[in-house]
Amino acid sequence: SAVISQKPSRDICQRGTSLTIQCQVDSQVTMMFWYRQQPGQSLTLIATANQGSEATYESGFVIDKFPISRPNLTFSTLTVSNMSPEDSSIYLCSAGGTANTEAFFGQGTRLTVV
Amino acid sequence: SQQGEEDPQALSIQEGENATMNCSYKTSINNLQWYRQNSGRGLVHLILIRSNEREKHSGRLRVTLDTSKKSSSLLITASRAADTASYFCATVLANAGNNRKLIWGLGTSLAVNP
Repeated sequence: SAVISQKPSRDICQRGTSLTIQCQVDSQVTMMFWYRQQPGQSLTLIATANQGSEATYESGFVIDKFPISRPNLTFSTLTVSNMSPEDSSIYLCSAGGTANTEAFFGQGTRLTVV
Repeated sequence: SQQGEEDPQALSIQEGENATMNCSYKTSINNLQWYRQNSGRGLVHLILIRSNEREKHSGRLRVTLDTSKKSSSLLITASRAADTASYFCATVLANAGNNRKLIWGLGTSLAVNP
Protein backbone atom coordinates (compact mmCIF):
# COMPACT_ATOMS: atom_id res chain seq x y z
CA SER A 1 0.00 0.00 0.00
CA ALA A 2 0.98 3.63 -0.29
CA VAL A 3 0.06 6.83 1.46
CA ILE A 4 0.02 10.04 -0.55
CA SER A 5 0.26 13.43 1.10
CA GLN A 6 -1.11 16.17 -1.10
CA LYS A 7 -0.92 19.85 -0.38
CA PRO A 8 -2.35 22.36 -0.24
CA SER A 9 -5.76 20.92 0.62
CA ARG A 10 -7.44 24.05 -0.63
CA ASP A 11 -6.58 27.48 -1.90
CA ILE A 12 -8.23 30.60 -3.21
CA CYS A 13 -6.16 32.28 -5.90
CA GLN A 14 -6.32 35.41 -7.98
CA ARG A 15 -6.77 35.02 -11.70
CA GLY A 16 -3.55 35.25 -13.65
CA THR A 17 -1.47 33.67 -10.90
CA SER A 18 -0.11 30.13 -10.66
CA LEU A 19 -0.47 27.47 -8.02
CA THR A 20 1.79 24.46 -7.50
CA ILE A 21 0.30 21.35 -5.94
CA GLN A 22 2.62 18.81 -4.38
CA CYS A 23 2.22 15.09 -3.82
CA GLN A 24 4.56 13.02 -1.70
CA VAL A 25 4.28 9.23 -1.66
CA ASP A 26 5.61 7.21 1.24
CA SER A 27 7.07 4.57 -1.10
CA GLN A 28 8.54 4.45 -4.57
CA VAL A 29 5.95 4.23 -7.32
CA THR A 30 6.47 3.93 -11.03
CA MET A 31 3.47 5.85 -12.29
CA MET A 32 1.76 8.90 -10.88
CA PHE A 33 -1.29 10.56 -12.32
CA TRP A 34 -2.88 13.97 -12.05
CA TYR A 35 -6.65 14.39 -12.34
CA ARG A 36 -9.14 17.22 -12.36
CA GLN A 37 -12.62 16.73 -10.98
CA GLN A 38 -15.50 19.18 -11.19
CA PRO A 39 -18.02 18.98 -8.33
CA GLY A 40 -20.43 16.11 -8.82
CA GLN A 41 -18.57 14.77 -11.82
CA SER A 42 -16.08 12.05 -12.61
CA LEU A 43 -12.30 12.23 -12.79
CA THR A 44 -10.61 13.63 -15.87
CA LEU A 45 -7.02 12.60 -16.38
CA ILE A 46 -4.72 15.55 -17.00
CA ALA A 47 -1.44 13.71 -17.43
CA THR A 48 0.76 10.82 -16.40
CA ALA A 49 3.86 11.94 -14.54
CA ASN A 50 6.87 9.95 -15.66
CA GLN A 51 10.07 9.86 -13.65
CA GLY A 52 13.01 11.02 -15.69
CA SER A 53 11.03 12.13 -18.71
CA GLU A 54 8.33 14.56 -19.71
CA ALA A 55 4.79 14.00 -18.57
CA THR A 56 2.31 12.47 -20.98
CA TYR A 57 -0.65 14.79 -21.41
CA GLU A 58 -4.19 13.84 -22.32
CA SER A 59 -6.09 15.52 -25.10
CA GLY A 60 -7.11 19.01 -24.11
CA PHE A 61 -4.30 19.54 -21.62
CA VAL A 62 -0.97 21.15 -22.45
CA ILE A 63 2.35 21.47 -20.71
CA ASP A 64 2.35 25.27 -20.76
CA LYS A 65 -0.85 25.36 -18.75
CA PHE A 66 -0.19 22.37 -16.49
CA PRO A 67 3.57 21.86 -16.12
CA ILE A 68 4.41 18.74 -14.15
CA SER A 69 7.58 17.72 -12.40
CA ARG A 70 8.57 14.22 -11.32
CA PRO A 71 12.09 14.47 -9.93
CA ASN A 72 12.07 11.04 -8.27
CA LEU A 73 9.87 8.01 -7.65
CA THR A 74 8.18 9.47 -4.55
CA PHE A 75 7.31 13.03 -5.51
CA SER A 76 5.48 15.02 -8.14
CA THR A 77 4.12 18.51 -8.60
CA LEU A 78 1.41 19.95 -10.81
CA THR A 79 1.33 23.66 -11.53
CA VAL A 80 -1.84 25.34 -12.70
CA SER A 81 -0.56 28.36 -14.62
CA ASN A 82 -2.13 31.70 -15.48
CA MET A 83 -5.30 30.69 -13.70
CA SER A 84 -8.80 31.71 -14.67
CA PRO A 85 -12.10 30.99 -12.88
CA GLU A 86 -12.58 28.04 -15.25
CA ASP A 87 -9.65 26.34 -13.49
CA SER A 88 -11.63 26.19 -10.26
CA SER A 89 -11.88 22.51 -9.52
CA ILE A 90 -10.58 19.69 -7.36
CA TYR A 91 -7.16 18.40 -8.38
CA LEU A 92 -6.14 14.90 -7.37
CA CYS A 93 -2.89 13.03 -7.58
CA SER A 94 -2.76 9.28 -7.71
CA ALA A 95 -0.28 6.43 -7.89
CA GLY A 96 -0.62 2.87 -9.09
CA GLY A 97 -3.80 1.15 -10.20
CA THR A 98 -2.66 0.04 -13.63
CA ALA A 99 -1.02 -3.33 -12.92
CA ASN A 100 -3.74 -5.38 -11.24
CA THR A 101 -3.19 -3.38 -8.07
CA GLU A 102 -5.19 -0.64 -6.47
CA ALA A 103 -4.65 3.05 -7.02
CA PHE A 104 -3.91 5.36 -4.12
CA PHE A 105 -5.02 8.95 -4.00
CA GLY A 106 -4.03 12.13 -2.29
CA GLN A 107 -6.78 13.94 -0.43
CA GLY A 108 -7.24 16.44 -3.21
CA THR A 109 -6.71 20.17 -3.63
CA ARG A 110 -9.84 22.28 -3.84
CA LEU A 111 -8.90 25.28 -5.97
CA THR A 112 -11.02 28.39 -6.31
CA VAL A 113 -9.92 31.09 -8.73
CA VAL A 114 -11.43 34.54 -8.20
CA SER B 1 -13.25 9.89 -23.48
CA GLN B 2 -14.79 8.10 -20.58
CA GLN B 3 -15.27 4.43 -21.22
CA GLY B 4 -17.30 3.56 -18.18
CA GLU B 5 -20.94 4.38 -17.73
CA GLU B 6 -22.63 3.86 -14.43
CA ASP B 7 -26.22 3.65 -13.42
CA PRO B 8 -28.02 4.87 -11.61
CA GLN B 9 -26.44 8.31 -11.46
CA ALA B 10 -28.04 8.81 -8.06
CA LEU B 11 -29.52 6.38 -5.59
CA SER B 12 -31.34 7.08 -2.33
CA ILE B 13 -32.18 4.26 0.05
CA GLN B 14 -32.98 3.63 3.69
CA GLU B 15 -30.51 2.24 6.16
CA GLY B 16 -30.54 -1.52 6.15
CA GLU B 17 -31.51 -1.79 2.50
CA ASN B 18 -29.19 -3.08 -0.20
CA ALA B 19 -27.72 -0.78 -2.82
CA THR B 20 -26.80 -1.96 -6.31
CA MET B 21 -24.77 0.08 -8.76
CA ASN B 22 -23.91 -0.94 -12.30
CA CYS B 23 -21.00 -0.13 -14.56
CA SER B 24 -20.69 -0.80 -18.28
CA TYR B 25 -17.66 -0.47 -20.48
CA LYS B 26 -16.92 -0.68 -24.16
CA THR B 27 -13.68 -2.54 -24.85
CA SER B 28 -11.71 -5.46 -23.43
CA ILE B 29 -10.26 -4.90 -20.00
CA ASN B 30 -7.54 -6.30 -17.76
CA ASN B 31 -9.44 -5.55 -14.62
CA LEU B 32 -12.24 -3.44 -13.22
CA GLN B 33 -11.99 -1.56 -9.96
CA TRP B 34 -14.50 0.11 -7.69
CA TYR B 35 -13.72 3.19 -5.63
CA ARG B 36 -15.55 5.29 -3.10
CA GLN B 37 -15.26 9.04 -2.66
CA ASN B 38 -16.56 11.11 0.22
CA SER B 39 -17.39 14.76 -0.41
CA GLY B 40 -14.91 15.44 -3.20
CA ARG B 41 -11.93 14.13 -1.29
CA GLY B 42 -9.49 11.42 -2.31
CA LEU B 43 -10.82 8.15 -3.61
CA VAL B 44 -10.55 4.93 -1.65
CA HIS B 45 -10.17 1.59 -3.34
CA LEU B 46 -12.90 -0.97 -2.60
CA ILE B 47 -12.43 -4.02 -4.82
CA LEU B 48 -10.47 -5.05 -7.90
CA ILE B 49 -11.85 -7.83 -10.07
CA ARG B 50 -9.77 -9.29 -12.85
CA SER B 51 -11.12 -10.09 -16.29
CA ASN B 52 -11.01 -13.83 -15.59
CA GLU B 53 -12.98 -13.51 -12.37
CA ARG B 54 -16.74 -13.40 -12.09
CA GLU B 55 -17.42 -12.45 -8.49
CA LYS B 56 -15.57 -11.08 -5.48
CA HIS B 57 -16.61 -10.29 -1.95
CA SER B 58 -15.23 -7.96 0.68
CA GLY B 59 -17.25 -7.60 3.85
CA ARG B 60 -20.62 -6.14 2.88
CA LEU B 61 -19.48 -5.58 -0.69
CA ARG B 62 -20.08 -7.93 -3.59
CA VAL B 63 -18.80 -7.24 -7.08
CA THR B 64 -19.70 -9.18 -10.19
CA LEU B 65 -18.17 -8.98 -13.63
CA ASP B 66 -19.77 -10.16 -16.86
CA THR B 67 -17.24 -9.75 -19.64
CA SER B 68 -19.70 -10.99 -22.27
CA LYS B 69 -21.98 -8.07 -21.43
CA LYS B 70 -19.09 -5.76 -20.59
CA SER B 71 -20.67 -4.87 -17.30
CA SER B 72 -20.07 -5.02 -13.57
CA SER B 73 -22.19 -4.47 -10.51
CA LEU B 74 -21.40 -3.39 -6.98
CA LEU B 75 -23.77 -4.55 -4.27
CA ILE B 76 -23.63 -3.04 -0.80
CA THR B 77 -25.67 -5.08 1.63
CA ALA B 78 -27.27 -3.85 4.84
CA SER B 79 -26.36 -0.26 4.02
CA ARG B 80 -25.46 2.28 6.69
CA ALA B 81 -25.61 6.05 6.73
CA ALA B 82 -21.81 6.01 6.62
CA ASP B 83 -22.00 4.39 3.16
CA THR B 84 -23.24 7.71 1.79
CA ALA B 85 -20.67 8.63 -0.86
CA SER B 86 -19.99 8.61 -4.58
CA TYR B 87 -18.95 5.31 -6.09
CA PHE B 88 -16.88 5.02 -9.25
CA CYS B 89 -15.84 2.14 -11.42
CA ALA B 90 -12.57 2.25 -13.31
CA THR B 91 -11.09 -0.07 -15.88
CA VAL B 92 -7.64 -0.85 -17.15
CA LEU B 93 -7.80 -1.60 -20.83
CA ALA B 94 -6.33 -4.81 -22.17
CA ASN B 95 -3.41 -4.39 -24.55
CA ALA B 96 -2.77 -0.84 -23.39
CA GLY B 97 0.97 -1.47 -23.44
CA ASN B 98 2.88 1.49 -22.11
CA ASN B 99 -0.22 3.67 -22.15
CA ARG B 100 -1.81 2.07 -19.11
CA LYS B 101 -4.18 4.29 -17.21
CA LEU B 102 -7.47 4.03 -15.41
CA ILE B 103 -10.61 4.82 -17.41
CA TRP B 104 -13.27 6.16 -15.07
CA GLY B 105 -17.02 5.79 -15.04
CA LEU B 106 -19.32 8.71 -14.38
CA GLY B 107 -20.10 7.58 -10.85
CA THR B 108 -23.14 6.86 -8.72
CA SER B 109 -24.06 9.15 -5.87
CA LEU B 110 -25.47 7.05 -3.03
CA ALA B 111 -27.46 8.54 -0.17
CA VAL B 112 -28.34 6.25 2.72
CA ASN B 113 -31.00 7.78 4.91
CA PRO B 114 -31.06 6.93 8.61
